[in-house]
Amino acid sequence: DAGVTQSPTHLIKTRGQQVTLRCSPKSGHDTVSWYQQALGQGPQFIFQYYEEEERQRGNFPDRFSGHQFPNYSSELNVNALLLGDSALYLCASSTGTGVHYGYTFGSGTRLTVV
Amino acid sequence: RKEVEQDPGPFNVPEGATVAFNCTYSNSASQSFFWYRQDCRKEPKLLMSVYSSGNEDGRFTAQLNRASQYISLLIRDSKLSDSATYLCVVNLYGGSQGNLIFGKGTKLSVKP
Repeated sequence: DAGVTQSPTHLIKTRGQQVTLRCSPKSGHDTVSWYQQALGQGPQFIFQYYEEEERQRGNFPDRFSGHQFPNYSSELNVNALLLGDSALYLCASSTGTGVHYGYTFGSGTRLTVV
Repeated sequence: RKEVEQDPGPFNVPEGATVAFNCTYSNSASQSFFWYRQDCRKEPKLLMSVYSSGNEDGRFTAQLNRASQYISLLIRDSKLSDSATYLCVVNLYGGSQGNLIFGKGTKLSVKP
């Protein structure tokens, strides 16, 4: 049973470029959340997708956008990259059903903006 | 005031020591509470959920005090493999709704 899969694992982009990160949730999970973790900080919530809609959003600018597909996979898009966007981007999947409401994290995409 | 505050550490302890991590949260409406563990350059992994009655999992004991908005994690008989960053996590909701609010983490190094 595959866990959460993220791609790519590493990425280097130039300031001003755009990037798309991808996430496949754990089998049986229908909710995908994205987090940004800067060096030395805890992860910060970007947004959550459920039933192909953005259900919640954290304090991130509109340059950060996302999408969820009918198979529950998700993309995170960041436009007009800034140096400060360099971070580990984590995808977490979950489901509201069942006894254990755990969030399973993928291993992340490490984005470096130069 | 930060939403979730933790002692940043690092905690450097010898094998076999008992170590305690503390955490406070600012929103009294928070519904669910967790400790996650994160190894260097890896993803966070759920260590345990935290309940008001307190809960134990082997060498790990977690406590929640809703009145004080305080969460703790106790590790007994620490092992070299316990070396990691421990993240205190709060959710305004139960279940999978809402978002996880993370503290900055407390780094633990267990030495031989």
